Amino acid sequence: EVLLQQSGAELVRPGSSVKISCKASGYTFTDYYMHWVKQRPEQGLVWIGRINPANGNTVYAEKFKSKATLTADKSSNTAYMQLSSLTSEDTATYFCTSGRYGSSPFDYWGQGVMVTVSS
Amino acid sequence: DTVLTQSPALAVSPGERVSISCRASEGVNSYMHWYQQKPGQQPKLLIYKASNLASGVPARFSGSGSGTDFTLTIDPVEADDTATYFCQQSWNDPYTFGAGTKLELK
Repeated sequence: EVLLQQSGAELVRPGSSVKISCKASGYTFTDYYMHWVKQRPEQGLVWIGRINPANGNTVYAEKFKSKATLTADKSSNTAYMQLSSLTSEDTATYFCTSGRYGSSPFDYWGQGVMVTVSS
Repeated sequence: DTVLTQSPALAVSPGERVSISCRASEGVNSYMHWYQQKPGQQPKLLIYKASNLASGVPARFSGSGSGTDFTLTIDPVEADDTATYFCQQSWNDPYTFGAGTKLELK
């Protein structure tokens, strides 16, 4: 069974950073991209970017290039996303989701991590 | 960025047929996918590459289209289909989603 297990909810201060994790199991970690998706409360889905865990190559949506940093650890089958200079606009649920290389859909999804930015 | 425009919220009765549309601002070949999201849950892949049923998804769901116009059809609709449906394209970077169509049952 494929599972993407994400870390727990975060309450963070404005201006700080947060790093959330996504541990994959049930498939070969290096055979799939890991993507990250943002969903603000009662709103739609926004693609942040993707990482190729096999070589660490990343692609970001323009608006997240200075906000998000994606990394992956092959030894533990875990992907990470760090969000920096947090503001209230970053309050959202963040999903990790994996898809095969190429222009593939998002086959598997984590349960989501709620990040709340508040003083 | 490729903008995906979805039909607005829909309300249908169980047993009826419903079609949800998604129009892309530029061609995406057949690389359009559909997801179902229920409140408090992660999205779930229903249809990939316009018309292919994802594993474990009931045959009541089907997809069609190519280029810029795509449709997700549910026939017949069941009570459990109450959810928001998103289209998503993976042909152009950045990948983009539609705003979602909320399906309610009468």
